Amino acid sequence: QKEVEQDPGPLSVPEGAIVSLNCTYSNSAFQYFMWYRQYSRKGPELLMYTYSSGNKEDGRFTAQVDKSSKYISLFIRDSQPSDSATYLCAMKRPGNTGKLIFGQGTTLQVKP
Amino acid sequence: EAGVVQSPRYKIIEKKQPVAFWCNPISGHNTLYWYLQNLGQGPELLIRYENEEAVDDSQLPKDRFSAERLKGVDSTLKIQPAELGDSAVYLCASSFDSSNTGELFFGEGSRLTVL
Repeated sequence: QKEVEQDPGPLSVPEGAIVSLNCTYSNSAFQYFMWYRQYSRKGPELLMYTYSSGNKEDGRFTAQVDKSSKYISLFIRDSQPSDSATYLCAMKRPGNTGKLIFGQGTTLQVKP
Repeated sequence: EAGVVQSPRYKIIEKKQPVAFWCNPISGHNTLYWYLQNLGQGPELLIRYENEEAVDDSQLPKDRFSAERLKGVDSTLKIQPAELGDSAVYLCASSFDSSNTGELFFGEGSRLTVL
């Protein structure tokens, strides 16, 4: 079993829809949770960062972490065609020795 | 400010041939990472450098892969000899440090096809 599981999709939604992307994980030591966005043939870029449990909002994006369930989510409101990309969850243990573990990514397509 | 620069962007080689990828991190970033990304998968760490020291290379297949980061700036990742299964995107990333909140900045990747 992988440490981080993510539904690969693809996920196709109409413009303006609310999108929910999710990851589950097995390592309870993870404390730092991130969402990266990767456009086709580009490198990933950091979208959201959350420490421990709770919610974080940034514009149309909301990240949620539920450590008790080992489950994290990214919500995109009013989705736009420019949001079409692969979304990678990533997580890390505390300390300099903890490496970032990525999910396999969910491909999202927002249709105009 | 320039981002992480990688070259070449694309490389096609025959199996058993050698190949090398180059990475120039963001200026001032002490930590440099090489990741492997297979099609439809998330990036997987191959090696992490703190300045010029390789501090995590547990996932680097050392029989055919090697890496170096001379003078703690640019880095080179080499594969010799390449195998069909090495076809993937090789991503370089850098961060100011490897602390908990250290954001990773990725290059656009080097896409390798082994025939």
